[in-house]
Amino acid sequence: QQQVKQSPQSLIVQKGGISIINCAYENTAFDYFPWYQQFPGKGPALLIAIRPDVSEKKEGRFTISFNKSAKQFSLHIMDSQPGDSATYFCAASALSSGSARQLTFGSGTQLTVLP
Amino acid sequence: GAGVSQSPSNKVTEKGKDVELRCDPISGHTALYWYRQRLGQGLEFLIYFQGNSAPDKSGLPSDRFSAERTGESVSTLTIQRTQQEDSAVYLCASSTIPGQGGSGEKLFFGSGTQLSVL
Repeated sequence: QQQVKQSPQSLIVQKGGISIINCAYENTAFDYFPWYQQFPGKGPALLIAIRPDVSEKKEGRFTISFNKSAKQFSLHIMDSQPGDSATYFCAASALSSGSARQLTFGSGTQLTVLP
Repeated sequence: GAGVSQSPSNKVTEKGKDVELRCDPISGHTALYWYRQRLGQGLEFLIYFQGNSAPDKSGLPSDRFSAERTGESVSTLTIQRTQQEDSAVYLCASSTIPGQGGSGEKLFFGSGTQLSVL
């Protein structure tokens, strides 16, 4: 059962535009929601993360919007640049009974920003 | 090294052969994860090591998959009797103390091993 659903699968945006990627989750125990960015041939790298006690977090051109009641969160990339072209993964995790946090990843969004 | 190192970067093998994939985590990182990424898919959790605790093997897809970790350093992921459906990128990640909030939540990924089973 897929616990984190991500859309769209691919996204093409003009330079300077806003890129929006959406994720929805089912497990109400999730309490940490990161976004990872992956360039071809590289491993994913943490971009930005949010906890459910806030509705928005902004870091530079990247903003996470979080809607706890709807169990949804989204990544907004303002003033998108060709260098932002990458695959973006949302993820979610809950603190388990031990010390482990297992991230459940969405299926990814391939973003292409046209020059 | 400064980052998570994985080797080999590419591995081509014949169906039925065994393969070993290696991961060198960032020094001092007590937690180590293996994920599988099939083409165009998300990351699938395989196994997790934390210090001297018993590993969490809940994500291993079959008994053909196993992993070991020496102390808090190198880990090897072994796939026995490889099948074509094992073809994927295998990613290793490490972190500091997980579940403690702050920087411990951040996973540092290697570049992965691209496994192709012919």
